[in-house]
Amino acid sequence: EVQLVESGGGLVQPGRSLKLSCAASGFTFSNYYMAWVRQAPKKGLEWVATISTSGSRTYYPDSVKGRFTISRDNAKSSLYLQMNSLKSEDTATYYCARLKLPGYPFAYWGQGTLVTVSS
Amino acid sequence: NIVLTQSPATLSVTPGESVSLSCRASQSISTSIHWYQQKSNESPRLLIKYASQSISGIPSRFSGSGSGTDFTLSINRVESEDFSIYYCQQSYSSLYTFGSGTKLEIK
Repeated sequence: EVQLVESGGGLVQPGRSLKLSCAASGFTFSNYYMAWVRQAPKKGLEWVATISTSGSRTYYPDSVKGRFTISRDNAKSSLYLQMNSLKSEDTATYYCARLKLPGYPFAYWGQGTLVTVSS
Repeated sequence: NIVLTQSPATLSVTPGESVSLSCRASQSISTSIHWYQQKSNESPRLLIKYASQSISGIPSRFSGSGSGTDFTLSINRVESEDFSIYYCQQSYSSLYTFGSGTKLEIK
């Protein structure tokens, strides 16, 4: 059974940093592209980052480019999101999601971890 | 960026009715559209991929259609468990985008 379990969320002050983790199990992690998708409270879904199987290619929307970094450790079947210079508008539940390749849908989602940016 | 416009924002229906939800893309995206269902306090779930392809484990009352810029998610005879929010998402561009969602509520 595919499982994605996020951790690392919490309350952080504006301008500070936070690193999220996603532990994957039930599939060969190194064979899949992975992504982060977020959802602000009572709002819709927003794609945040995608990473290739080897980690050599990454993609970001303009809203987080230069502040967020997605990475992975295939030996540990783990996905990460380093978030720097956090803003109040980054407050959201962050989901880890699996996709097979670019162009594929997000077939599996974690339960999410809440990040609150506030002073 | 490719913008996806979903309509209506809210759809009020009686269980047993059949409904259609719309998703329009700002440019042609072939059939690179996917539909998700999100129930309250849950993670999104993939319902339909590539506009019309079914997903294992998803009830057959859910179907999708469309290509180019106009897409439709249809639910044949809505059941009580279907009242939730539905999102479309494009994967034509590597800069993925989602629609703003359609909330299906009980009339």
